[in-house]
Amino acid sequence: GEDVEQSLFLSVREGDSSVINCTYTDSSSTYLYWYKQEPGAGLQLLTYIFSNMDMKQDQRLTVLLNKKDKHLSLRIADTQTGDSAIYFCAERGGSSNTGKLIFGQGTTLQVKP
Amino acid sequence: NAGVTQTPKFQVLKTGQSMTLQCAQDMNHEYMSWYRQDPGMGLRLIHYSVGAGITDQGEVPNGYNVSRSTTEDFPLRLLSAAPSQTSVYFCASTGRGSYNEQFFGPGTRLTVL
Repeated sequence: GEDVEQSLFLSVREGDSSVINCTYTDSSSTYLYWYKQEPGAGLQLLTYIFSNMDMKQDQRLTVLLNKKDKHLSLRIADTQTGDSAIYFCAERGGSSNTGKLIFGQGTTLQVKP
Repeated sequence: NAGVTQTPKFQVLKTGQSMTLQCAQDMNHEYMSWYRQDPGMGLRLIHYSVGAGITDQGEVPNGYNVSRSTTEDFPLRLLSAAPSQTSVYFCASTGRGSYNEQFFGPGTRLTVL
């Protein structure tokens, strides 16, 4: 079945780059997403990438997609303490026209001053 | 637009009690879903709906019922609460569009004693 895997925890120093990794199993995924969850809040969409793209950049965020290895990464440049949150990778299957997403376990990013 | 709203924000139940978690959206989205979030397990889909009058089961539907009588509302009913249902519950809605951004409510933190 469809599955999305992430490491659970990442700790970086303020000003460093953070790289959060994700692997997925559905080769027909059309869109892949990164969501951010701040403490006590719901999830908010950070960025997304269409499956025919290799890279997408949006200010401090860079998303890399390796479709052959089914690997997605999110790089945050110049990480700030405000970036501390849980980051979820999610995929939308190719056969899904319902908006149904499959989420990873979430990676807790801790940014030390 | 208020987006996706959920009530209540917090709830404590005793084993065997029933209750309804409310969810509403004002974006005229067709697709709505309920997730539960547990530590280290990410978001797991409970039930979803692709439109008024249509619902389907997700990954973990046991112990929960849903209905969708209007486009706006998608309540989640716990029939007989169990301690295993202690979790944070999120409602989400998705509109039709190229990348299907999923909008999340703020969550309901439920404790079952």
